[in-house]
Amino acid sequence: AQKITQTQPGMFVQEKEAVTLDCTYDTSDQSYGLFWYKQPSSGEMIFLIYQGSYDEQNATEGRYSLNFQKARKSANLVISASQLGDSAMYFCAMWNQAGTALIFGKGTTLSVSS
Amino acid sequence: GAGVSQSPSNKVTEKGKDVELRCDPISGHTALYWYRQRLGQGLEFLIYFQGNSAPDKSGLPSDRFSAERTGESVSTLTIQRTQQEDSAVYLCASRGLAGPTDTQYFGPGTRLTVL
Repeated sequence: AQKITQTQPGMFVQEKEAVTLDCTYDTSDQSYGLFWYKQPSSGEMIFLIYQGSYDEQNATEGRYSLNFQKARKSANLVISASQLGDSAMYFCAMWNQAGTALIFGKGTTLSVSS
Repeated sequence: GAGVSQSPSNKVTEKGKDVELRCDPISGHTALYWYRQRLGQGLEFLIYFQGNSAPDKSGLPSDRFSAERTGESVSTLTIQRTQQEDSAVYLCASRGLAGPTDTQYFGPGTRLTVL
């Protein structure tokens, strides 16, 4: 069965620095996709970035990039030039085996200080 | 266009009462999902609707939970005889099948508090 593991309950970073949020996954599927979502204190889930297992290049979206290491089954999110507004909870997710729902990790709380 | 909307945004109820939560998906999205998020936790899948197919109810925690959706429109999640452990944020998401990422777009959630 699919599983997502986020081992960092909390991370702290200063403004303008880069930060890496860890995500490892387990699946027996050959084709799969990985998602990252941001959840600010207001509660909404904001889609950030997607990586397909067969994508040849690591996904990038503005200041967000995904360090995808397929052999290690890791899909770490890298945020460059952190901003105060990046303070939020971050979730890594992938589709369940049936493809009917996303399975989420427990999340990492990122705190950005000035 | 408009995003996913949910109502009410907050609901406080007494233990044992029934509650109904509503989700309006993005127009044209055929897939609709309900998730539950307890305080400080990740999201737990509850139920999935895809068009007129039978819903995937495998995530519903008990028979007190049920959900309906007519076609590709509004969905309602009903919790009967609420318990304190039902207190959580209930998130709805919809998904179109045309996008390259096949991602889900979430509503703002309904915060349910059972006293």
